[in-house]
Amino acid sequence: AAGVIQSPRHLIKEKRETATLKCYPIPRHDTVYWYQQGPGQDPQFLISFYEKMQSDKGSIPDRFSAQQFSDYHSELNMSSLELGDSALYFCASSSHGEKLFFGSGTQLSVL
Amino acid sequence: AQKITQTQPGMFVQEKEAVTLDCTYDTSDPSYGLFWYKQPSSGEMIFLIYQGSYDQQNATEGRYSLNFQKARKSANLVISASQLGDSAMYFCAMREGEGGNTPLVFGKGTRLSVIA
Repeated sequence: AAGVIQSPRHLIKEKRETATLKCYPIPRHDTVYWYQQGPGQDPQFLISFYEKMQSDKGSIPDRFSAQQFSDYHSELNMSSLELGDSALYFCASSSHGEKLFFGSGTQLSVL
Repeated sequence: AQKITQTQPGMFVQEKEAVTLDCTYDTSDPSYGLFWYKQPSSGEMIFLIYQGSYDQQNATEGRYSLNFQKARKSANLVISASQLGDSAMYFCAMREGEGGNTPLVFGKGTRLSVIA
């Protein structure tokens, strides 16, 4: 069965650079979620989209933005990267409010 | 206030034994869903089991079962016949609202170590 696809798997950036993370949800899933998980922490909700419209907003910094495109893939754009942005970024998708399935995550390291 | 509480930062269990990971939750919404995820050292977040607030029976998925006690607001995960591959971080999570798209809120997790 198709799963949530995230790219890249690993990303290394310098401070003040920008990064773009991509997410391809499970086909026919209507909702995409982005989470940030710092080292040794639980995942923290950033933002979600339902049918390509922003649905909920969590603790997403103003330096971050996200969107969902017509083909339902989503991108998380991160600018002016800081050391504290180093984390595992997950995308998850669900259909009609049912179970959330997560991608393998993008490990972002800011040097 | 913490919505999901996992009081066991770490647990050890002997191979082939059963283990219970605790989870309590806090919500005033009559409709909610409870989830358990496994996160091995590779980092992926693997869905294990789901319990809806209106489900009459405890959820089961293979060796995983959820001990749902609604009045006590607890949703403990029971893993039977532990295997070495069960060693991982386990997160309890909750979504409020029925059929909605509200995001999951996670607990702090419990690190399970299975000993041979």
